Amino acid sequence: GAVVSQHPSWVICKSGTSVKIECRSLDFQATTMFWYRQFPKQSLMLMATSNEGSKATYEQGVEKDKFLINHASLTLSTLTVTSANPEDSSFYICSARDDSDSNEKLFFGSGTQLSVL
Amino acid sequence: DAKTTQPTSMDCAEGRAANLPCNHSTISGNEYVYWYRQIHSQGPQYIIHGLKNNETNEMASLIITEDRKSSTLILPHATLRDTAVYYCIVRVAGGFQKLVFGTGTRLLVSP
Repeated sequence: GAVVSQHPSWVICKSGTSVKIECRSLDFQATTMFWYRQFPKQSLMLMATSNEGSKATYEQGVEKDKFLINHASLTLSTLTVTSANPEDSSFYICSARDDSDSNEKLFFGSGTQLSVL
Repeated sequence: DAKTTQPTSMDCAEGRAANLPCNHSTISGNEYVYWYRQIHSQGPQYIIHGLKNNETNEMASLIITEDRKSSTLILPHATLRDTAVYYCIVRVAGGFQKLVFGTGTRLLVSP
């Protein structure tokens, strides 16, 4: 099946710094990717929809200036957590839809565990 | 997206069939039923999806009631590696529709 690569798998950073997470579709093109976050023992919460070549669409309550999304190519979307604070510590997951797949399946990355000290 | 209701948790013995129910009583005619699962600390994995006919693939079977208000995911011979949280999601196909996760069912497969 299609592969979505997410890097890094885990990252530890200091408060006030910025962290960039990459999401790549390895063997397919993805005009649209999605970013989720997940707190321990909770479900995935959709943060934003990333569209290649245009601005991302953020869900209600998600600060667009804090969670910067860039989708510059059909195989890469990045999420940058700016001025990170301990409350941003979470598991971040991206997903992508294969543009050529009529079955509408979404493929997910393996996630990034962010810990902010 | 229509809301789904799933049991919080279920247990299953290894080698037996695991039947995971999902209620989606407000599903619209153009909404599909999708099933994903998430093994601990990993990204979700697609399992199966369907509109109104029963579906089967190498991972599981999906049984959708005639009125489409509920469905059941069947893992025919559960293994320990099937222990995961299973999410039932209804979603309109076509375009670039987002996937909204509910709370899911935590399935524990025991020896």
